[in-house]
Amino acid sequence: GQNIDQPTEMTATEGAIVQINCTYQTSGFNGLFWYQQHAGEAPTFLSYNVLDGLEEKGRFSSFLSRSKGYSYLLLKELQMKDSASYLCAGADSNYQLIWGAGTKLIIKP
Amino acid sequence: DAGITQSPRYKITETGRQVTLMCHQTWSHSYMFWYRQDLGHGLRLIYYSAAADITDKGEVPDGYVVSRSKTENFPLTLESATRSQTSVYFCASSGATDLNTGELFFGEGSRLTVL
Repeated sequence: GQNIDQPTEMTATEGAIVQINCTYQTSGFNGLFWYQQHAGEAPTFLSYNVLDGLEEKGRFSSFLSRSKGYSYLLLKELQMKDSASYLCAGADSNYQLIWGAGTKLIIKP
Repeated sequence: DAGITQSPRYKITETGRQVTLMCHQTWSHSYMFWYRQDLGHGLRLIYYSAAADITDKGEVPDGYVVSRSKTENFPLTLESATRSQTSVYFCASSGATDLNTGELFFGEGSRLTVL
């Protein structure tokens, strides 16, 4: 079956670095997305990886290893506003998105 | 204003009633999607549309109906609401030319409670 696994909740300290992992099993693979969702709001796009390696975008970076079925989102210099859920989604061979349940990130001062 | 909007934002209804959730986007995006989001689950696709008059089922289509007579509108109808349809519903659109190869833009969500 198809599945996306990510931790339910993580806690980190303001100013620190946090890595949110995502493992995926999809029928075929056409890319891995990360979205941010603040409580009570809509998801917003963060990144898309289809090739192995690290993509950096300011304080946020996303990594993909297709051979391991693994991705992570790296958040640096954490700010209180980064408190949110982070959703991982994989696109299968039919380009259907399979979504993880999300990782709730709690930032403490 | 440009963007993607949903209405109503909040709705309480009773079992057996018909409910329609509206979605409107101003970008002329080809692809539009309806998702539901429940605690402990990832977003689940209900229906999607590749263009006007083209719709297709997603993962959880039962009990829902969609139409897309115009590119900008993609209403979702619950024909006879059930308590299991209590959820937050998100409409999304994409300007990609292929399914799910581009960024999704989500509406603010419609929070539906079925009593």
